[in-house]
Amino acid sequence: DAGVTQSPTHLIKTRGQHVTLRCSPISGHKSVSWYQQVLGQGPQFIFQYYEKEERGRGNFPDRFSARQFPNYSSELNVNALLLGDSALYLCASSLVSGGDEQYFGPGTRLTVT
Amino acid sequence: QQQVKQSPQSLIVQKGGISIINCAYENTAFDYFPWYQQFPGKGPALLIAIRPDVSEKKEGRFTISFNKSAKQFSLHIMDSQPGDSATYFCAANGRGFQKLVFGTGTRLLVSP
Repeated sequence: DAGVTQSPTHLIKTRGQHVTLRCSPISGHKSVSWYQQVLGQGPQFIFQYYEKEERGRGNFPDRFSARQFPNYSSELNVNALLLGDSALYLCASSLVSGGDEQYFGPGTRLTVT
Repeated sequence: QQQVKQSPQSLIVQKGGISIINCAYENTAFDYFPWYQQFPGKGPALLIAIRPDVSEKKEGRFTISFNKSAKQFSLHIMDSQPGDSATYFCAANGRGFQKLVFGTGTRLLVSP
């Protein structure tokens, strides 16, 4: 079975631009969470979605938004990119909302210049 | 109170030795404690996890020891191999948290 998939793998953007990252969860999983991992640090929680509803939000500015689609895939959008947004963006899926067993995708490496 | 403190920051172990990584937490609402292994350029992979109702869980060469009263848990890697060289993260979750709270990571290098 396929694991969590994310696209694109790498992305280079300029300050002020907008970016959309995509995630497909493991088949049968209904919950998707997004995390930001800055180099040398642990992942930091951004959002959690379950059945298309936002169930949790981390301490990130309103420039960050997300949504979940009927097929449980998800998008993370970041507006007005800053240099500090450069990071590995990870998507994790779990069976249920806030599920303990979260399985991560390979991530999208975003570089903002 | 939502922090998970992890130590050491880095660790060098000889092949065949035991690698030990420690984590501590404050929030007693945490009730799920996983360990993740991450290789460069990859996403974290769930390695092993424990709940507070047991003091130890073993899967192959990997063991979690859990001390509820001290609010500490640790990962032991027995017979460490060069292929175990990676960054290890402890994490915690609890009812109503809707998220994993991660430690700062430990870079493990197993020398041949």
